[in-house]
Amino acid sequence: EVQLVESGGGLVQPGGSLRLSCAASGFTFSTHWMSWVRQAPGKGLEWVANIKQDGSEKYYVDSVKGRFTISRDNAKNSLYLQMNSLRAEDTAMYYCARESGGSAWSGRDYWGQGTLVTVSS
Amino acid sequence: QSALTQPASVSGSPGQSITISCTGTSSDVGSYNLVSWYQQHPGKAPKLLIYEVSKRPSGVSNRFSGSKSGNTASLTISGLQAEDEADYFCCSYAGRRVVFGGGTKLTVL
Repeated sequence: EVQLVESGGGLVQPGGSLRLSCAASGFTFSTHWMSWVRQAPGKGLEWVANIKQDGSEKYYVDSVKGRFTISRDNAKNSLYLQMNSLRAEDTAMYYCARESGGSAWSGRDYWGQGTLVTVSS
Repeated sequence: QSALTQPASVSGSPGQSITISCTGTSSDVGSYNLVSWYQQHPGKAPKLLIYEVSKRPSGVSNRFSGSKSGNTASLTISGLQAEDEADYFCCSYAGRRVVFGGGTKLTVL
């Protein structure tokens, strides 16, 4: 059974940093692109970033470029999101998601339950 | 403002069919067959219903179908059931990024 379990969320002050983790199991992690998608309270979904199987390609939404870094450790079956210079508008539930097949853009076929990030003073 | 435009709400009675539209541009929906649809119940993670415009993942009911014409994609749900009441989001590749619609709340009357 495919499982994605996020951790690392919490309350952080504006300008602060946080590192999210996603532990994957039940599939061959190294054969899939992986993504982070966020959802502000009561709002819609927003794609944040994705990363290729070997980590050689990474893409980001414009609003987080230069502040967030996506990475992965295939030996540990783990996905990460380093978030720096956090702003109030980054407050959201952050979901880890697996990209279907070997593609980067076909669709996110498995999702974790999310970890909540709150940016507030 | 979301990149893709969806109606805020739709409704239907059990057994009926409904269609949710998702309007983008020639830079996203219109240029790529990489539209996906997600169902989200309150407090739950999204679930993939349709990928690559019209393909269904294994385990997804054939009551859900997707299509595309020009810059507009559509999700049709036939034989509406009470458990279909949820939020639905469309999504498209847009050139090295992904864009979502604002979401549509489906109410089953």
